[in-house]
Amino acid sequence: KNQVEQSPQSLIILEGKNCTLQCNYTVSPFSNLRWYKQDTGRGPVSLTIMTFSENTKSNGRYTATLDADTKQSSLHITASQLSDSASYICVVSGTTDSWGKLQFGAGTQVVVTP
Amino acid sequence: DTEVTQTPKHLVMGMTNKKSLKCEQHMGHRAMYWYKQKAKKPPELMFVYSYEKLSINESVPSRFSPECPNSSLLNLHLHALQPEDSALYLCASSNPRTGRNSPLHFGNGTRLTVT
Repeated sequence: KNQVEQSPQSLIILEGKNCTLQCNYTVSPFSNLRWYKQDTGRGPVSLTIMTFSENTKSNGRYTATLDADTKQSSLHITASQLSDSASYICVVSGTTDSWGKLQFGAGTQVVVTP
Repeated sequence: DTEVTQTPKHLVMGMTNKKSLKCEQHMGHRAMYWYKQKAKKPPELMFVYSYEKLSINESVPSRFSPECPNSSLLNLHLHALQPEDSALYLCASSNPRTGRNSPLHFGNGTRLTVT
């Protein structure tokens, strides 16, 4: 069973609007949670990395939140742009995972329309 | 452009061919990774090299053979592949000295088609 679940699977938003993506995980004990953006046909790009003690981290118009108690994270995109169309992947590292092994979510496909 | 460079960008090969994928980074990272990604799926870990030694092999078939000749280069040698091996192959690197919180830096991948 996948230890990282993302929702929604896909969403379409109008340019300029905000949206929020969800990530729930069961990985325990927890080391860190990452959000990556992957444009079609390209490699993922790191947006944020949060550890247990961090609740919020921002990268430009992207803001990630983490609730380690409920094992939930969200990624908020503010004032969306056409270039935000991509897959957003939640990735979790557990402290008992072999170093280098990460648990990937299936991703949320975001389409921003004019 | 990414700091991890992968060549070639596209590769078409027959099932009897031998080919190699190459990955290069000059960030001083001593951990390098190969991932396989099928369409609309997340990347799947194949191999991890740490300080030029193979540390993780995710039970990958022997028709895939990794090689890390030095701290900047990572190769993936391909032989007798199957059509189901067609995928985007991603290379990544990270700095193991910063521990588990070290971000992965991905290349843009090699799009492999096996005919």
